[in-house]
Amino acid sequence: AQTVTQSQPEMSVQEAETVTLSCTYDTSENNYYLFWYKQPPSRQMILVIRQEAYKQQNATENRFSVNFQKAAKSFSLKISDSQLGDTAMYFCASPFQGAQKLVFGQGTRLTINP
Amino acid sequence: DADVTQTPRNRITKTGKRIMLECSQTKGHDRMYWYRQDPGLGLRLIYYSFDVKDINKGEISDGYSVSRQAQAKFSLSLESAIPNQTALYFCATSDLWTGRTGELFFGEGSRLTVL
Repeated sequence: AQTVTQSQPEMSVQEAETVTLSCTYDTSENNYYLFWYKQPPSRQMILVIRQEAYKQQNATENRFSVNFQKAAKSFSLKISDSQLGDTAMYFCASPFQGAQKLVFGQGTRLTINP
Repeated sequence: DADVTQTPRNRITKTGKRIMLECSQTKGHDRMYWYRQDPGLGLRLIYYSFDVKDINKGEISDGYSVSRQAQAKFSLSLESAIPNQTALYFCATSDLWTGRTGELFFGEGSRLTVL
């Protein structure tokens, strides 16, 4: 079965610090994308960043970047210069069955403290 | 207005009641999904539909049913609600293009509490 594992249920850092959220996945797909979604207290699911597995270059979106290790099936999210607005649940997700479905990890609750 | 709209946003009901959660979208996407979110479990797929005549079970479909009334509408029903169906429910969409990547576009969620 397709699995996505986030091993850090909760994390807490000070504002302006850098934080890394971990994710490992297990897929039999050959060509796929990986995603990080953010869920703030408003509970809306917001796409943070996506990574194309066949690209060796790690994706970057402003303060958000990924460390993609394809052989290790690891897909971590790094948030630089963290801000109070980054406080949210973060979910890692991997496609399944030829991208027909997304499988999500358990989530990491990130708190940015002032 | 939101591209993917869920109603109701919040609902409290009693065990044994029939509940319907509705989802409509203006994105023009053909694929629609229902997920439920539970603490510590992430989001799990209940049902998904690629068009009006194509409906598929997800990993946790027991106790749920769906109806795809139109390309833009996909409703989730709990025929006889039970307390362990208390959760946050999400509708999501994708199309053939975004579906190549697996990316989903989510509604705002429906919080259901079954007493």
